[in-house]
Amino acid sequence: DTGVSQNPRHKITKRGQNVTFRCDPISEHNRLYWYRQTLGQGPEFLTYFQNEAQLEKSRLLSDRFSAERPKGSFSTLEIQRTEQGDSAMYLCASSPLDRFNEKLFFGSGTQLSVL
Amino acid sequence: AQSVTQLDSHVSVSEGTPVLLRCNYSSSYSPSLFWYVQHPNKGLQLLLKYTSAATLVKGINGFEAEFKKSETSFHLTKPSAHMSDAAEYFCVVSDDEKLTFGTGTRLTIIP
Repeated sequence: DTGVSQNPRHKITKRGQNVTFRCDPISEHNRLYWYRQTLGQGPEFLTYFQNEAQLEKSRLLSDRFSAERPKGSFSTLEIQRTEQGDSAMYLCASSPLDRFNEKLFFGSGTQLSVL
Repeated sequence: AQSVTQLDSHVSVSEGTPVLLRCNYSSSYSPSLFWYVQHPNKGLQLLLKYTSAATLVKGINGFEAEFKKSETSFHLTKPSAHMSDAAEYFCVVSDDEKLTFGTGTRLTIIP
């Protein structure tokens, strides 16, 4: 069990550029979640996958955001035409299908700064 | 809709004294409640969880929380604070497929 891995740890980009983050969950975890955390706030739910299927998306997830989990293993989160308001910590978490709430493991996050 | 309110954004206690972090919840259903801790540059870690079993829940590192339905509260306590407890603490509610976090309480330990 190597834990949930997120890359990169930090990303600095200019407004209008596209960025992509990667999350590698704990192996054999069926569920994968993306959350966003801004300064002074708790994490906010963005979307989640069960295997390769994206089952729910938050209204926070505008059409500039897209997430994939093509083979039910790692996941990517892409932000197109970044805006300064996208600056935040993007957190990934994974869990087994059963008792998912009780066995949710978080990665250390990707800190995005949009200049 | 589910939500949690953490009543204090910042709590400071002296090392060796008790800790109390307050949380009130709102949920349409019988909720699952959690406390998570976030140390700088580390991932969120589950401290403890309530899932309709015993109302007094024991977690890691000596933390406890008591579920009080009549008060819709789930306060986190520890009898004696340690320097390593300094971190951000989040109260979390779940009554469906996802977690809803509070805004967090920053705990500072005074030597």
